[in-house]
Amino acid sequence: DIVMTQSPDSLAVSLGGRATINCKSSQNVLYSYNDKKYLAWYQQKPGQPPKLLISWASTRESGVPDRFSGSGSGTDFTLTINSLQAEDVAVYYCQQYYSSPLTFGGGTKVEIK
Amino acid sequence: EVVLLESGGDLVQPGGSLRLSCAASGFTFSSYAMSWVRQAPGKGLEWVSGISGTGGSTSYAGSVKGRFTISRDTSKNTLYLQMTSLRAEDTAVYYCAKDGYCGGDCYSNYWGQGTQVTVSS
Repeated sequence: DIVMTQSPDSLAVSLGGRATINCKSSQNVLYSYNDKKYLAWYQQKPGQPPKLLISWASTRESGVPDRFSGSGSGTDFTLTINSLQAEDVAVYYCQQYYSSPLTFGGGTKVEIK
Repeated sequence: EVVLLESGGDLVQPGGSLRLSCAASGFTFSSYAMSWVRQAPGKGLEWVSGISGTGGSTSYAGSVKGRFTISRDTSKNTLYLQMTSLRAEDTAVYYCAKDGYCGGDCYSNYWGQGTQVTVSS
């Protein structure tokens, strides 16, 4: 199974500041035949189901603010939230869908400093 | 509008069985793979099982393989998760999710609100 390791477990950022969340996969999740990275990012607010933010490591879902961005290589990925807003307080998860079983990172809790 | 409505969650004794259902609407059900993902109290997300659009291909997490069975009824636009030999560690909110279009394993782009399964004597 591919193990997804997120860091940090939590972080506090000032309103308007930048949050950077890291995700490392134990195996490459880049398929060379299509040059796609099988990595997604989700946001989960308290009492709500997860919401897909980013697929293919860097493709924002429709309606997701452009302050959210994803980047990374075959094993190391980053979710960046610029100009942090109060509504961005949530837990963020990465997920690999390169191979079954699909696996999630442990989550990163983002709070306001 | 995509809507996923889970049902069937309950309090069940260890060793018992339960069937979860997920009624889907707002998209062509047979065209998309579907998944079940669970979340234990205060914990992170765990992918449980997935099924292809046709139902011909299924996959499971190691923690549930041999105990859980995923299926779908295209005529009813409904996804199921049959759970047997339930254990305390299966206690969680179970989410039904619609997958994107990836040609195989995929991210989930729509999620239901979840149904609570509690395994306890």
